[in-house]
Amino acid sequence: GEDVEQSLFLSVREGDSSVINCTYTDSSSTYLYWYKQEPGAGLQLLTYIFSNMDMKQDQRLTVLLNKKDKHLSLRIADTQTGDSAIYFCASSGGYQKVTFGIGTKLQVIP
Amino acid sequence: NAGVMQNPRHLVRRRGQEARLRCSPMKGHSHVYWYRQLPEEGLKFMVYLQKENIIDESGMPKERFSAEFPKEGPSILRIQQVVRGDSAAYFCASSPRRGAGETQYFGPGTRLLVL
Repeated sequence: GEDVEQSLFLSVREGDSSVINCTYTDSSSTYLYWYKQEPGAGLQLLTYIFSNMDMKQDQRLTVLLNKKDKHLSLRIADTQTGDSAIYFCASSGGYQKVTFGIGTKLQVIP
Repeated sequence: NAGVMQNPRHLVRRRGQEARLRCSPMKGHSHVYWYRQLPEEGLKFMVYLQKENIIDESGMPKERFSAEFPKEGPSILRIQQVVRGDSAAYFCASSPRRGAGETQYFGPGTRLLVL
């Protein structure tokens, strides 16, 4: 079945860039997503990229997609303490079923 | 324009009791999805429903779990005879249409604790 993998933990200093990586297995994935989850809260969609794109930029967020290697990354520029959260990579093909990774916990050190 | 509403936010049950989790989708959304997040894990798809129809329940445990989305009212995820392993956060998401790329908007979740 589909699988999405990502590292569990990332620690960066405030002001540095954060890069969170993800790999997925389903070659029919049409959309790839990044969600943010703060403690005790639901998931907030940060950004998504269509599979025929290789890059998408939205303010401090840059998403890179290497479709050949099925590798997705999220770069957060000028990371702030408010960016501390768990970041989920997710993919969907077909109609809508979304497969999530385990989540990367980002810790921002002041 | 309210987002996806879930209640209760926290639910405590003893083993063997029933748990009922409610989800009201965003206004105008007729597609509802339920996910389960076990401690220290990602979200796992459980079931996808439209009004009065279950479209995909491939992620639902075969026993004790059921879901519905009636013509009127919220979607309900029902867990009968709960066990400790059912303790998790249950998230509901909704979308306006069915189609690749349609964003799913998530509710805040119901955190179920089974004692």
